Amino acid sequence: EDQVTQSPEALRLQEGESSSLNCSYTVSGLRGLFWYRQDPGKGPEFLFTLYSAGEEKEKERLKATLTKKESFLHITAPKPEDSATYLCAVQAYDNTGKLIFGQGTTLQVKP
Amino acid sequence: ETGVTQSPTHLIKTRGQQVTLRCSSQSGHNTVSWYQQALGQGPQFIFQYYREEENGRGNFPPRFSGLQFPNYSSELNVNALELDDSALYLCASSYDRALDTQYFGPGTRLTVL
Repeated sequence: EDQVTQSPEALRLQEGESSSLNCSYTVSGLRGLFWYRQDPGKGPEFLFTLYSAGEEKEKERLKATLTKKESFLHITAPKPEDSATYLCAVQAYDNTGKLIFGQGTTLQVKP
Repeated sequence: ETGVTQSPTHLIKTRGQQVTLRCSSQSGHNTVSWYQQALGQGPQFIFQYYREEENGRGNFPPRFSGLQFPNYSSELNVNALELDDSALYLCASSYDRALDTQYFGPGTRLTVL
């Protein structure tokens, strides 16, 4: 069964304290792995798509990496405005258009 | 601002009632997906519509149904509401089923009493 597990569930950082969020996945055939940011009361906001092991993408203080079993979202020198829930999702090679999401990691960055 | 809008923002219904949620896709987007997000959980795929046809469906019973219209607006209908249907319902639109250009709306918060 296709599955996505994120850890930790919650993470508290001081401003400037770098860290990583983990996304472990099991999927029959990976078409793409997606990272989203979700603020309270809002819909998920697209961050990155990764397609193959070894691929990396960066955006401001965020960097996403992908291996055959997991993905990491590295946050360098975070700021309070980076506080949000970060969601990881995978798409398999089927024609359903389905994304399978993890439960998310809630990040709080304190000034 | 993604250009995807949903209505209503909040809704309260009682068990057994029926509800219709609406989504207006970003201009030119011919694909819409619906997700259910329970509190503290990640979104769960309900179904996807592509050019007004259902393209795929998740593990949701038939009382969850949808429609997509030629103007790229869409509806999610839920019959015989149950308490567990209380959740945030999200729609997401994209062009030609390309999920890396998929934009989510703000969601409709449904509470079933």
